[in-house]
Amino acid sequence: GENVEQHPSTLSVQEGDSAVIKCTYSDSASNYFPWYKQELGKGPQLIIDIRSNVGEKKDQRIAVTLNKTAKHFSLHITETQPEDSAVYFCAATVAGNYGQNFVFGPGTRLSVLP
Amino acid sequence: KAGVTQTPRYLIKTRGQQVTLSCSPISGHRSVSWYQQTPGQGLQFLFEYFSETQRNKGNFPGRFSGRQFSNSRSEMNVSTLELGDSALYLCASYPMGTDTQYFGPGTRLTVL
Repeated sequence: GENVEQHPSTLSVQEGDSAVIKCTYSDSASNYFPWYKQELGKGPQLIIDIRSNVGEKKDQRIAVTLNKTAKHFSLHITETQPEDSAVYFCAATVAGNYGQNFVFGPGTRLSVLP
Repeated sequence: KAGVTQTPRYLIKTRGQQVTLSCSPISGHRSVSWYQQTPGQGLQFLFEYFSETQRNKGNFPGRFSGRQFSNSRSEMNVSTLELGDSALYLCASYPMGTDTQYFGPGTRLTVL
């Protein structure tokens, strides 16, 4: 089955700096890769996603890149702000699969220091 | 549109008891997935329902079960609770034709 690794487990950056979180996956059939942000006491919230037919996707300060050959994808947050502090999870799945389930990475705790 | 709602938000039970958690998906979403989140194991898939049918199941013992009703609301049940069942149980829904799952706030279950 699919296995997703995520690094680093914790990340501290100064406000205004960039943050990068990397994930690797094992199943070459996976073709949908969402990123979720989870704040304390809340459920995960989708922040960006990418499909395997796209190499990069950007949404304001957030971008995701995908390298299918190497089976890894990364989240990039630029101009970080204190409200970006949260736990971030990557996930992988086979899109459109009957009975879809996501396999999540273990999470990265991001702290943005003012 | 209202988001995914889960009730109750917090629950305390003792070992050996059973518990039922409820999830109401976003209006129009017919698929519901359940996940268990713990500090040690992270987010793990429990099961997924579509139109009252379980389509996929994760690697959890038979004490964990679920169902979905005709209005797409879903419940999960855990029987004979163990200390290790203490976790945040998350429900996610998504509409047909998409892969984007929207999560609820979760139910925090504590087993004493």
